[in-house]
Amino acid sequence: GENVEQHPSTLSVQEGDSAVIKCTYSDSASNYFPWYKQELGKGPQLIIDIRSNVGEKKDQRIAVTLNKTAKHFSLHITETQPEDSAVYFCAASSSGNNRLAFGKGNQVVVIP
Amino acid sequence: DAGVIQSPRHEVTEMGQEVTLRCKPISGHNSLFWYRQTMMRGLELLIYFNNNVPIDDSGMPEDRFSAKMPNASFSTLKIQPSEPRDSAVYFCASSGQGAMINSPLHFGNGTRLTVT
Repeated sequence: GENVEQHPSTLSVQEGDSAVIKCTYSDSASNYFPWYKQELGKGPQLIIDIRSNVGEKKDQRIAVTLNKTAKHFSLHITETQPEDSAVYFCAASSSGNNRLAFGKGNQVVVIP
Repeated sequence: DAGVIQSPRHEVTEMGQEVTLRCKPISGHNSLFWYRQTMMRGLELLIYFNNNVPIDDSGMPEDRFSAKMPNASFSTLKIQPSEPRDSAVYFCASSGQGAMINSPLHFGNGTRLTVT
């Protein structure tokens, strides 16, 4: 099955700086790559997703890039703010099934 | 939209007791998922339903775990008998576009289960 890995496990950034989280996946058939943000005591919330027919997608301060050849995708957060502090999960799945394989998560800490 | 609603938010029980977790998916969504989250293993898919029918239960750890979806607006995850290693946060999620099309998952806020 699909195996998704995230790096780094913890990331601290100064407020206003950018944060980048990278994920790798193993199944070349995967074609859907969402990112979820989880705040303390809450369930994960989808913040952005990308499908394999595009290489980049942007939504205000958040962007995701996908490199299908290398089988990795990244989340970019610009102009970080304290409310961006959370655990971020990447995931991958293929159209052949509805099983999202999640990474272990990245703790992002934005230092005011 | 009230989102996915899970109950209870917290459950503390003794080993050997039966535990029932409940979920109400978003109205109109036809896929429902149960996940378990632990520090060691992260988010694990236990089972998912499409149109109230279990499609994939390969993630259910053992026979002590069972899940039902009697109608489109309600699902339960039952553990009987419970064990300390079942302690985790259990999430329910729903999506609206069917089992064969990848679509965003909407998660509830989870049930934190502690088995002593």
